[in-house]
Amino acid sequence: EDKVVQSPLSLVVHEGDTVTLNCSYEVTNFRSLLWYKQEKKAPTFLFMLTSSGIEKKSGRLSSILDKKELFSILNITATQTGDSAVYLCVLNSGGSNYKLTFGKGTLLTVNP
Amino acid sequence: NAGVTQTPKFQVLKTGQSMTLQCAQDMNHEYMSWYRQDPGMGLRLIHYSVGAGITDQGEVPNGYNVSRSTTEDFPLRLLSAAPSQTSVYFCASSFHRGGTEAFFGQGTRLTVV
Repeated sequence: EDKVVQSPLSLVVHEGDTVTLNCSYEVTNFRSLLWYKQEKKAPTFLFMLTSSGIEKKSGRLSSILDKKELFSILNITATQTGDSAVYLCVLNSGGSNYKLTFGKGTLLTVNP
Repeated sequence: NAGVTQTPKFQVLKTGQSMTLQCAQDMNHEYMSWYRQDPGMGLRLIHYSVGAGITDQGEVPNGYNVSRSTTEDFPLRLLSAAPSQTSVYFCASSFHRGGTEAFFGQGTRLTVV
């Protein structure tokens, strides 16, 4: 059975700090790993990772995948209060059992 | 470009009542799915569909029915609402092949009293 484990489950930082969110997974038929941000409404897409070692970057956010060790990290530098949200790691597995498997999320709180 | 449209946004039901949550997408996505989100549990898959006429159960299907008569629509039916079905429900869609991102509806906050 596919599985996604995120850590930490919650994190409180001050504005300007850098944070690293972790996601480890187990999968039978890997297709991609996705990161989403959720702020009291629908999750919004951040990154899709399919290849190991290739960093995806968008402003202060970046993410990388290690398919050998089965984990991904999401980095946020110079955090702002607007980064406060739940960050979801989502495993996309393919084949006849195509589906999305969600981690429980990391609740990030950025204090001024 | 509407994306994924989910209705209603809020609903209160009495125990035993039935209702249908609507989900429609205009991106020609083959894959559509329903999730419920509960505190501390993450999003859990209820039912999913890989194309019109094809549906299958997810992790927590009991008490819910779905159908997929068209590519665009994927309604979720609560047959006889129970307090345990109080949750936030999300519909999502994506292309089946190629591992693309999933697009989410805005969610339905359902309370069963």
